[in-house]
Amino acid sequence: DTGVSQDPRHKITKRGQNVTFRCDPISEHNRLYWYRQTLGQGPEFLTYFQNEAQLEKSRLLSDRFSAERPKGSFSTLEIQRTEQGDSAMYLCASSSLPGLAGDGEQFFGPGTRLTVL
Amino acid sequence: AQSVTQLDSHVSVSEGTPVLLRCNYSSSYSPSLFWYVQHPNKGLQLLLKYTSAATLVKGINGFEAEFKKSETSFHLTKPSAHMSDAAEYFCVVGTGANNLFFGTGTRLTVIP
Repeated sequence: DTGVSQDPRHKITKRGQNVTFRCDPISEHNRLYWYRQTLGQGPEFLTYFQNEAQLEKSRLLSDRFSAERPKGSFSTLEIQRTEQGDSAMYLCASSSLPGLAGDGEQFFGPGTRLTVL
Repeated sequence: AQSVTQLDSHVSVSEGTPVLLRCNYSSSYSPSLFWYVQHPNKGLQLLLKYTSAATLVKGINGFEAEFKKSETSFHLTKPSAHMSDAAEYFCVVGTGANNLFFGTGTRLTVIP
């Protein structure tokens, strides 16, 4: 399967613990996005990378959140000192650059569901 | 600023009858508009997209949507619902930076 993959699919943690999620994009895609989806809502944009550069961060991305894409391939999203309000589905997507093959369409992974107790 | 409003949180149709999922958008410039579908335990999948070409956009699985600038609408339709269409549908507006703003979703139930 050459789609976007995310690991783990589910994570249960206690409040105050740190968690890290991984996203592997489609291999030829330059852009990688993180979204958060809470129950009953649509996904909300968190941040995106073009290659290894983090180009935009949402106000939703508090200081406890950090994302990296060190080699321009996979990305990690870390949440420090988790809170119950962090419970959500964290989605990753990737795309080629607009104007290239695929016209910038974002392809989504299955998500990581985080539950903070 | 960009936003989308999905007018129905839940739509229920009988199998074989038409589907209409309503969406209104707000954008400060000519928008890119999308419909995504999310089946349980599966990733979001693009159904169709509008990017200022033809106003009637055809997508996968028999879905289509019409961009109406005067009404700021981008409603999703399908002539005949199938059981496999039951899912959550999101209307989405794209920004110039290629980021996506999602609506709150419409859950489609198909009754046998």
